[in-house]
Amino acid sequence: GQNIDQPTEMTATEGAIVQINCTYQTSGFNGLFWYQQHAGEAPTFLSYNVLDGLEEKGRFSSFLSRSKGYSYLLLKELQMKDSASYLCAVQRSNDYKLSFGAGTTVTVRA
Amino acid sequence: SAVISQKPSRDICQRGTSLTIQCQVDSQVTMMFWYRQQPGQSLTLIATANQGSEATYESGFVIDKFPISRPNLTFSTLTVSNMSPEDSSIYLCSVESQNTYGYTFGSGTRLTVV
Repeated sequence: GQNIDQPTEMTATEGAIVQINCTYQTSGFNGLFWYQQHAGEAPTFLSYNVLDGLEEKGRFSSFLSRSKGYSYLLLKELQMKDSASYLCAVQRSNDYKLSFGAGTTVTVRA
Repeated sequence: SAVISQKPSRDICQRGTSLTIQCQVDSQVTMMFWYRQQPGQSLTLIATANQGSEATYESGFVIDKFPISRPNLTFSTLTVSNMSPEDSSIYLCSVESQNTYGYTFGSGTRLTVV
């Protein structure tokens, strides 16, 4: 089965940096996704990591350590529009389907 | 990435009734999925909709409660049967993106059972 943990809530100031951690324990791992979900909207794809290391995409970066069962999403130069829920999802190796963590609600304050 | 149209966007239903949710994709996709997102919680995979065969259900979900149709590669329906207030949730369909590693989600159906 899958066990995916991420913090429930985080608050940060506009312009700052926030790091959202995700730890997972899984019987079969293929890769890890991060999604952003604004209230009342569909999740949107942010990043996908399959190999160890850091993937940078503009203000957002994602890191993966397969041996440690650990990932983080780094949000830099925070903007008010970044206030949203951030979902960590593990892709199963046997069927490539996704198992989601409970999500981290990030609130950006002026 | 694919564009998904999901209907209805929301509904309020009486307990004991059934609701069918439609998911239309603007391109042919092999994999279509149905998720549930209960209030304040994350997404839980209900089933994979397979074209030409029965859907594949995750543990805890059964066909009698959540029958699924997949008549072609661009369309699927999920029915929530014999509803109770515990079925109040957001239901989302999802497809594999064609050009990236991501999965695209529909805008969801917010269901309230009274």
